[in-house]
Amino acid sequence: KAGVTQTPRYLIKTRGQQVTLSCSPISGHRSVSWYQQTPGQGLQFLFEYFSETQRNKGNFPGRFSGRQFSNSRSEMNVSTLELGDSALYLCASTRLAGSTDTQYFGPGTRLTVL
Amino acid sequence: QQQVKQSPQSLIVQKGGISIINCAYENTAFDYFPWYQQFPGKGPALLIAIRPDVSEKKEGRFTISFNKSAKQFSLHIMDSQPGDSATYFCAATEGGSYQLTFGKGTKLSVIP
Repeated sequence: KAGVTQTPRYLIKTRGQQVTLSCSPISGHRSVSWYQQTPGQGLQFLFEYFSETQRNKGNFPGRFSGRQFSNSRSEMNVSTLELGDSALYLCASTRLAGSTDTQYFGPGTRLTVL
Repeated sequence: QQQVKQSPQSLIVQKGGISIINCAYENTAFDYFPWYQQFPGKGPALLIAIRPDVSEKKEGRFTISFNKSAKQFSLHIMDSQPGDSATYFCAATEGGSYQLTFGKGTKLSVIP
């Protein structure tokens, strides 16, 4: 069974640009969550999607947005990039069988903002 | 506000020794406490998890101890091996939410 896949794996952008990251969950998984990982702040929750609806959002500015498609694939978008947006962006998928269902993480997309 | 505090930041253990990582939480609504292991270049992977209605859970060499009154929980890795060298994160969720609140992580190095 294929794991969570994220594309691209690496990305370099300049300040002010926007970026779109993609996540394909494990087959049959219906929930997708996004996290930002930085050395200073650690792992921080961005948002979670289920059935194309955002169910939960973390404490990030409106420049961070996302969406989920009918096949459960998800994208996140960051507009007007800032240097501080440089991070590893992780996607996690969950089958949604129960509240303690395991979240499976992808390898992440490493975003560098110059 | 850091809701889950993790210590130590880094840990060096001899092969065969016991690695102990501690976490403390503030939000009493948290009701599920997983531990994740992350290797360089990889995403975090679930290692072991516990709910607050039990005080201890063991899976192989990995044990979680949970103290609800102190709002603390810890990960013990018995007979630590070089292959255990990774970064470990404690986390917590509340009320069926899929929003994980993570500790800052502990970089474990197991030396031969």
